[in-house]
Amino acid sequence: AQKVTQAQTEISVVEKEDVTLDCVYETRDTTYYLFWYKQPPSGELVFLIRRNSFDEQNEISGRYSWNFQKSTSSFNFTITASQVVDSAVYFCALSELAYSGAGSYQLTFGKGTKLSVIP
Amino acid sequence: KAGVTQTPRYLIKTRGQQVTLSCSPISGHRSVSWYQQTPGQGLQFLFEYFSETQRNKGNFPGRFSGRQFSNSRSEMNVSTLELGDSALYLCASSGTSGPHEEETQYFGPGTRLLVL
Repeated sequence: AQKVTQAQTEISVVEKEDVTLDCVYETRDTTYYLFWYKQPPSGELVFLIRRNSFDEQNEISGRYSWNFQKSTSSFNFTITASQVVDSAVYFCALSELAYSGAGSYQLTFGKGTKLSVIP
Repeated sequence: KAGVTQTPRYLIKTRGQQVTLSCSPISGHRSVSWYQQTPGQGLQFLFEYFSETQRNKGNFPGRFSGRQFSNSRSEMNVSTLELGDSALYLCASSGTSGPHEEETQYFGPGTRLLVL
């Protein structure tokens, strides 16, 4: 069965510092997708980034960057020059095709990392 | 495009009652998934619907059910509410109009259910 582990429960940083959120996953599938979602206090899960298992190229998008390494089953997420508005809970998620139905994707989430950015 | 909408946003019920939550997906999206979020268990998958058919179901008791209408709107129902059903219920939709759209789920604001 698939599993996602976010070892960091809470992180506090001072504004403008860089912060990296760790994510380790387990899966037996060769085709899968990895995601990072942000959940502000309002509750809505906001999609941030997606990476499929065939593409290990690491990218930067604005202040966000990610490091995907299949060899260590890790998908870490970095925010550079953090801002107060980045304060939220961040979830790493793994998506695989469900065995029960064609085309049905099911997300397995980690427990989340609460990020507090202090002004 | 408008995002995923969920109604109501907040709900208070008592044990034994039943509740129906509603979700309208992003226009053009045909897949709707439901998740339950609690402090103890985190985010857990409930079920997924596509073209009015349930394609996948998580490990929840039969008190939790859902359906999808021809316009892709979805409802989930919880019968005989228990205190442990207090949670944030999140709906997500995904589409097939572009690359990786089928695998990417976009979430609504959620419905906070409190069972007293």
